[in-house]
Amino acid sequence: AQSVTQLDSHVSVSEGTPVLLRCNYSSSYSPSLFWYVQHPNKGLQLLLKYTSAATLVKGINGFEAEFKKSETSFHLTKPSAHMSDAAEYFCVVTVKAAGNKLTFGGGTRVLVKP
Amino acid sequence: GAGVSQSPSNKVTEKGKDVELRCDPISGHTALYWYRQSLGQGLEFLIYFQGNSAPDKSGLPSDRFSAERTGGSVSTLTIQRTQQEDSAVYLCASSLALQGSSGANVLTFGAGSRLTVL
Repeated sequence: AQSVTQLDSHVSVSEGTPVLLRCNYSSSYSPSLFWYVQHPNKGLQLLLKYTSAATLVKGINGFEAEFKKSETSFHLTKPSAHMSDAAEYFCVVTVKAAGNKLTFGGGTRVLVKP
Repeated sequence: GAGVSQSPSNKVTEKGKDVELRCDPISGHTALYWYRQSLGQGLEFLIYFQGNSAPDKSGLPSDRFSAERTGGSVSTLTIQRTQQEDSAVYLCASSLALQGSSGANVLTFGAGSRLTVL
């Protein structure tokens, strides 16, 4: 079985300050991990993915995430938030043994204050 | 097409009516998924099609829900005798076949079909 926990349902940051979105996973097999972003009334867009290569993964729009097996974590960070980063972010886990079904975390809604 | 196309984008129906939601995946993508996004419930897996294999229907919440995928391309999700709790955004996604030993498919999502059951 696999599961994902996003530790914060809401995060509020000021423009220009760092963003940290926390994600912990549980998986019986070697997981693949993703972060997706969903802007209001838009579809889900892939930010980045981890697939057992480099543990520090860089994605679009300046986001990156680090896979830490010992901590079963895959936290998403960005050094400097922009107003356009206001959206909902989903941490996702999948394993090949589960037929590649994605298991989504509950989501973290990011508010960026000017 | 360039992306995953879903229709209708919005559907309002009366309780007890049947609805059909359509998904047109990216050309060449053999895998197709349906998810449901409900307020306060997050994203819930419904069903998964991979090539000619039998679909994984383990996420369908009741026998009122069914889905087909004709010719390995377009998929239709059907909800019979709709209930108010079926109100949600229904998301379709597609991907290429499993990629290597990591099996890390990247799914491309459509914009969704928002269903409101009155």
